[in-house]
Amino acid sequence: AQSVTQLGSHVSVSEGALVLLRCNYSSSVPPYLFWYVQYPNQGLQLLLKYTSAATLVKGINGFEAEFKKSETSFHLTKPSAHMSDAAEYFCAVSDPGNNDMRFGAGTRLTVKP
Amino acid sequence: KAGVTQTPRYLIKTRGQQVTLSCSPISGHRSVSWYQQTPGQGLQFLFEYFSETQRNKGNFPGRFSGRQFSNSRSEMNVSTLELGDSALYLCASSPLQITDTQYFGPGTRLTVL
Repeated sequence: AQSVTQLGSHVSVSEGALVLLRCNYSSSVPPYLFWYVQYPNQGLQLLLKYTSAATLVKGINGFEAEFKKSETSFHLTKPSAHMSDAAEYFCAVSDPGNNDMRFGAGTRLTVKP
Repeated sequence: KAGVTQTPRYLIKTRGQQVTLSCSPISGHRSVSWYQQTPGQGLQFLFEYFSETQRNKGNFPGRFSGRQFSNSRSEMNVSTLELGDSALYLCASSPLQITDTQYFGPGTRLTVL
């Protein structure tokens, strides 16, 4: 079964700095990949998803992710962090047609002023 | 358009009891998925329903069950509650497939004493 690994349970950046959250998937067949954000006491919100179209995916709030098949990675980036980006971020994977979704353990992003 | 609603938001039960949680999807969405979120196990897929049919189920014991009604509203039931069932239960809806953009509800916080 597909799985994802998020490297780093906690990431701290300064406001205005680059945000890089890492995600690797395990599969020989490119799956669908997702990044979600969760703010305290709320449900999840989709940031972006990869479904075998363009390898560079742009999402909401200035986030983007690049699908790299050779590295089985789907890292999330944002050029300049904002205080409002502080939240927990989850990478997720789904096999097309399988109707399930597997999440990584999550990365908590802290943004320092 | 109203978002995904979940009721109740908070619930306290004792071991051995059973509980039913409800989820109303976004109007027009026919796929409803359920997830369990705990500090130890993270986000785990429970099951996905489409047109009153369960299309996939995660690795949970038979005490966890669900159903979907003709109006796409969904319920999940947990029987013979255990302390380890304490979690945030999240519901998400999407138009047709779990890989479509999923919209999450705020969750039901279940505490088992």
